[in-house]
Amino acid sequence: QQQVKQSPQSLIVQKGGIPIINCAYENTAFDYFPWYQQFPGKGPALLIAIRPDVSEKKEGRFTISFNKSAKQFSLHIMDSQPGDSATYFCAARAGSNYQLIWGAGTKLIIKP
Amino acid sequence: DAGVIQSPRHEVTEMGQEVTLRCKPISGHNSLFWYRQTMMRGLELLIYFNNNVPIDDSGMPEDRFSAKMPNASFSTLKIQPSEPRDSAVYFCASREGDYAGELFFGEGSRLTVL
Repeated sequence: QQQVKQSPQSLIVQKGGIPIINCAYENTAFDYFPWYQQFPGKGPALLIAIRPDVSEKKEGRFTISFNKSAKQFSLHIMDSQPGDSATYFCAARAGSNYQLIWGAGTKLIIKP
Repeated sequence: DAGVIQSPRHEVTEMGQEVTLRCKPISGHNSLFWYRQTMMRGLELLIYFNNNVPIDDSGMPEDRFSAKMPNASFSTLKIQPSEPRDSAVYFCASREGDYAGELFFGEGSRLTVL
């Protein structure tokens, strides 16, 4: 129940395409869902986060879609660029729990 | 602020040797986490400190692993004796507050045990 399942494991998209990364969870106590972006040789960094009271959140070219009934959330990258090539992690946290539960990560490559 | 600072960035050592990884969290952050990242297991939480006190060390794989936080600006993760299966990237992350907010990661320490 504590797992966050992330797919796909890897993704190759042409520049300008819209990569979509999906995550699913079981624990209905989760109430905070961040996405982290990790470039090679760097630590993960917060990209965007959502709480379940909204169905969508946009920040620049990055959008999180949230489906509470299906217990799924996804990251979309509009007009993707080679500079977006990175590993993306979804995560979830329940209430005042200090710990983030991490997805397995998606390695995204944007081809020029 | 310079962000979370980790050292060394790379460490290559022989099996059986002691390894010490260091972390300086962001000033004012009272939560500190040590993570291990591998291809097979992804990001694993090893230990969590709050206000310099270890709160959860259930992720520490074995007694060979130990972590300390003697003050708010410094933490160490020690492996003694090291084994080849400890090869991984070890990340330190800090956060302002007990449970809410953004995690700030260091650039990691890549450990190779031969």
